[in-house]
Amino acid sequence: DIQMTQSPSSLSASVGDRVTITCRASQSISNYLNWYRQEPGKAPNLLIFAASSLESGVPSRFSGSGSGTDFSLTISSLQPEDFATYFCQQSYSNPPEYTFGQGTKLEIK
Amino acid sequence: EVQLVESGGGLVNPGESLTLSCAASGFNFSLAWLSWVRQAPGRGPQWVGRIKSRSAGGTIDYAAPLKGRLAISRDDSRNTLYLQMNSLKTEDTAVYFCTWDAYKGGTYSFAHWGQGALVSVSS
Repeated sequence: DIQMTQSPSSLSASVGDRVTITCRASQSISNYLNWYRQEPGKAPNLLIFAASSLESGVPSRFSGSGSGTDFSLTISSLQPEDFATYFCQQSYSNPPEYTFGQGTKLEIK
Repeated sequence: EVQLVESGGGLVNPGESLTLSCAASGFNFSLAWLSWVRQAPGRGPQWVGRIKSRSAGGTIDYAAPLKGRLAISRDDSRNTLYLQMNSLKTEDTAVYFCTWDAYKGGTYSFAHWGQGALVSVSS
């Protein structure tokens, strides 16, 4: 299995801050990396696909980068609705054995 | 509007079976590749399995640790996806989501999710 490791596990920040979350794969996954945001009690919501492509309807303050084993998600200016948990997910495995990171909880400072 | 609505969750005893349903609307269900993803309390999501469209061969893939106890199926005439789970264990306790998998940018992502169905396995 490809293991996905996110850091940090939790992060405190303020509205308007710029934050970056990182995700590392246990082997190269090219750019087959997606990012999701999950609010409490809700389903995850796709933000970024293929490492750096913004999903339709997602605000431009979200951006993704990376390839191979190291990836990052950046939020340029935090908004109140961004305080949630973020997950990375690899879609490289074939046959599929898609795996998620353990999550990064973004909290208000 | 894309809608995925799971049903069939509940409390079951260890060793029992349960079948979840996911009713879909707002997209061409028969062409869709669909997955089940589960999330145990306080944990990250875990991919359970995927079924391709009939036109793509209808192949079903399962997460290795769960293979043998699960059966994913679809009824395109009813726009409904199913997950049958057998020999349930306490560690199967989770919210189970159905997803519509999008192929974009050369890869698959879970673009649309249902609201989830809670399955609790306890004696």
